[in-house]
Amino acid sequence: GQQLNQSPQSMFIQEGEDVSMNCTSSSIFNTWLWYKQEPGEGPVLLIALYKAGELTSNGRLTAQFGITRKDSFLNISASIPSDVGIYFCAGFSNDYKLSFGAGTTVTVRA
Amino acid sequence: DAGVTQSPTHLIKTRGQHVTLRCSPISGHKSVSWYQQVLGQGPQFIFQYYEKEERGRGNFPDRFSARQFPNYSSELNVNALLLGDSALYLCASMSSSYEQYFGPGTRLTVT
Repeated sequence: GQQLNQSPQSMFIQEGEDVSMNCTSSSIFNTWLWYKQEPGEGPVLLIALYKAGELTSNGRLTAQFGITRKDSFLNISASIPSDVGIYFCAGFSNDYKLSFGAGTTVTVRA
Repeated sequence: DAGVTQSPTHLIKTRGQHVTLRCSPISGHKSVSWYQQVLGQGPQFIFQYYEKEERGRGNFPDRFSARQFPNYSSELNVNALLLGDSALYLCASMSSSYEQYFGPGTRLTVT
């Protein structure tokens, strides 16, 4: 199956900082999706990307579909405490399987 | 509009038993997918159903099976439970533009 490498594995944020995370794959995807998951809940869809090179924003979140179709990144601008959680990238291929990265855990720096 | 609903919320079973998990998709969505998420990992794809037909299957043993009903709701069945089947089982409903929306999950504990 597809391998998605998501980095960093974890990060600490200070309120007001911009943060960035990315995802790379050994395979080409037709669609990239970014999710946020909080404890005890299912993942919540943040952004969907459909075309190579596409840059899409949702409030303070911006994501891009890489030109090679094998990578994507997510930026969070001016982070706030409620941005903490686990962020997952996911790629959708022709075989109807959605493959997930291992997640980036975002916590607030004390 | 109601989102994806799953039942039960939590479940405790013994090794060797069988379990059935249920999911209702977002109204108007015809496709349902099932995922297994163990602690510290991303969800792993199990099945996708569209219009009652299996359209995709992940690398899970035959102990895992699913079906979709005419109202597009779905069941995931797991036979001969193992300790390693303990996980959060997620159901996702897919829109026509391939966006997958997840339910809250069923937390299965096998003892």
